[in-house]
Amino acid sequence: QQQVKQSPQSLIVQKGGISIINCAYENTAFDYFPWYQQFPGKGPALLIAIRPDVSEKKEGRFTISFNKSAKQFSLHIMDSQPGDSATYFCAASLNSGYALNFGKGTSLLVTP
Amino acid sequence: EADIYQTPRYLVIGTGKKITLECSQTMGHDKMYWYQQDPGMELHLIHYSYGVNSTEKGDLSSESTVSRIRTEHFPLTLESARPSHTSQYLCASQGQRSYEQYFGPGTRLTVT
Repeated sequence: QQQVKQSPQSLIVQKGGISIINCAYENTAFDYFPWYQQFPGKGPALLIAIRPDVSEKKEGRFTISFNKSAKQFSLHIMDSQPGDSATYFCAASLNSGYALNFGKGTSLLVTP
Repeated sequence: EADIYQTPRYLVIGTGKKITLECSQTMGHDKMYWYQQDPGMELHLIHYSYGVNSTEKGDLSSESTVSRIRTEHFPLTLESARPSHTSQYLCASQGQRSYEQYFGPGTRLTVT
């Protein structure tokens, strides 16, 4: 059973545009929601993460919006650049320090 | 950049062979994980360990086994490789007081 559902599967955005990736979860006990970025031939790397006690977290061009009542969270990439082209995974974990449940990933292509 | 290493990076072997995928980290992390990543990108947890002499199976059924004799080392073994084992295998580690998982570069395994 997929614990974290991610959409869209793929996304094409023009340079300078906003990329938006959405995730939904079922388990209300999840308390840690990271986003990972993966480039071809590399392992995933943590991009940004949020805890459920805040509704938004911003780091540079990357923002997580979190809606606890809807059990949804999303990643916004402002001013998208070709270098942002990668696969993005949302995830959630129980008690913060345990195994991550990943979404299926979104392949982002930013065109020049 | 995190100090977590995987060898080999690429491996092509015949059916029935025994193989061991190596994973080492130099950060002194207690928690380590193995994920299997499909060509379609999704990551599945196959094994995890919360410390020396502690190993557990993950959500995805796997015919592989793991051991954790030393903190820094978490090898994964396939006793008899099959074509269905063809995949990318990612190792990750996590500190005791940290939420972040650090991933290695992965081993791409092809069983012919």
